[in-house]
Amino acid sequence: DSGVTQTPKHLITATGQRVTLRCSPRSGDLSVYWYQQSLDQGLQFLIHYYNGEERAKGNILERFSAQQFPDLHSELNLSSLELGDSALYFCASSVEGGEGAFFGQGTRLTVV
Amino acid sequence: DQQVKQNSPSLSVQEGRISILNCDYTNSMFDYFLWYKKYPAEGPTFLISISSIKDKNEDGRFTVFLNKSAKHLSLHIVPSQPGDSAVYFCAARVGANNLFFGTGTRLTVIP
Repeated sequence: DSGVTQTPKHLITATGQRVTLRCSPRSGDLSVYWYQQSLDQGLQFLIHYYNGEERAKGNILERFSAQQFPDLHSELNLSSLELGDSALYFCASSVEGGEGAFFGQGTRLTVV
Repeated sequence: DQQVKQNSPSLSVQEGRISILNCDYTNSMFDYFLWYKKYPAEGPTFLISISSIKDKNEDGRFTVFLNKSAKHLSLHIVPSQPGDSAVYFCAARVGANNLFFGTGTRLTVIP
């Protein structure tokens, strides 16, 4: 158990819909990262938040947005969903300058 | 633009032999490198890391080597065990910033 909690574990939704993925970081971690893993692909960095503020953006579509709340949990919002958005979405957290990031078990999103 | 590359999508090794997983990177500003291991239906788990000021780091059966001039790192697993079968991701970062991941190498250790 990494200490990072993601909900829900699975999500099936229709094209055009909007979903929200939730992440609770490890206790004490101020950084939250979101990654997308499509079928047989690597982990694509989406966005990084540190203590409530956006720190870096990766290959995140304009239809996607995220935020980190005062209690440090984070949400990734995906809207106008397309079939190609089907993927595993991972959240990770770390301390500032920590060795590495600790990952949650992911949310598997299926768009039908 | 893939800044971290793992050119071998898969690798099969006999149990007890050495597994060598390779990773190349393009950004000379990377100062910290990590390897993650991922089992199906689980998130990646941290395995071993190395700072850019070192050229080798060892942890039990796992050793990571860094060749900065070649922008190349490798993970050696000796001896390989069937439980090591997983997807291995190489990752790199600049300072305390986000990690850039490779596309992964699926290691299969044959009993």
